[in-house]
Amino acid sequence: DQQVKQNSPSLSVQEGRISILNCDYTNSMFDYFLWYKKYPAEGPTFLISISSIKDKNEDGRFTVFLNKSAKHLSLHIVPSQPGDSAVYFCAANRWGAQKLVFGQGTRLTINP
Amino acid sequence: DVKVTQSSRYLVKRTGEKVFLECVQDMDHENMFWYRQDPGLGLRLIYFSYDVKMKEKGDIPEGYSVSREKKERFSLILESASTNQTSMYLCASSLPLLEQYFGPGTRLTVT
Repeated sequence: DQQVKQNSPSLSVQEGRISILNCDYTNSMFDYFLWYKKYPAEGPTFLISISSIKDKNEDGRFTVFLNKSAKHLSLHIVPSQPGDSAVYFCAANRWGAQKLVFGQGTRLTINP
Repeated sequence: DVKVTQSSRYLVKRTGEKVFLECVQDMDHENMFWYRQDPGLGLRLIYFSYDVKMKEKGDIPEGYSVSREKKERFSLILESASTNQTSMYLCASSLPLLEQYFGPGTRLTVT
């Protein structure tokens, strides 16, 4: 039972344009969501998070949007840069739980 | 600066061997985690520990065990390695309820 789903295995975007990565979840108890970025041969690094009391959180070029009614979140990267090419994982948990549930990941490629 | 280290980056073992993967963190974090990453499946939790000598099963604990004798160290043990345990293994640590910090991973191949 995949509680967190990233339905696009890959995404290709032109440098300078907007990258939009999507994530859906099924567990309505989830109230904290995170995005991680992973380069090959490295561990994932934390990128940005959002709690369910908000619908948007920004950090520089990265913005995460949360639509609780649709159980959907998205990560926007503007403008996209070559160094953004990586695999992006979304993750979720519920308050009080120590474990994260991860999606399958989306491979983002930024083309020059 | 946050640091999670794993004992090996690459490891090749034979079927039936006992395998130890070590993870050390220097952030005094209570929580430590072991995941495996497989294409199309994302990160799946094997075990986690929220304190010394405490452990909980994750989503895929079968064929694995763990040990946490010191706060900074969390070991993953494959009692008898099998080919379906060929994977990327990732260790992470965190303070309670906060984001996890990951090590660089160990790519294990079982032949």
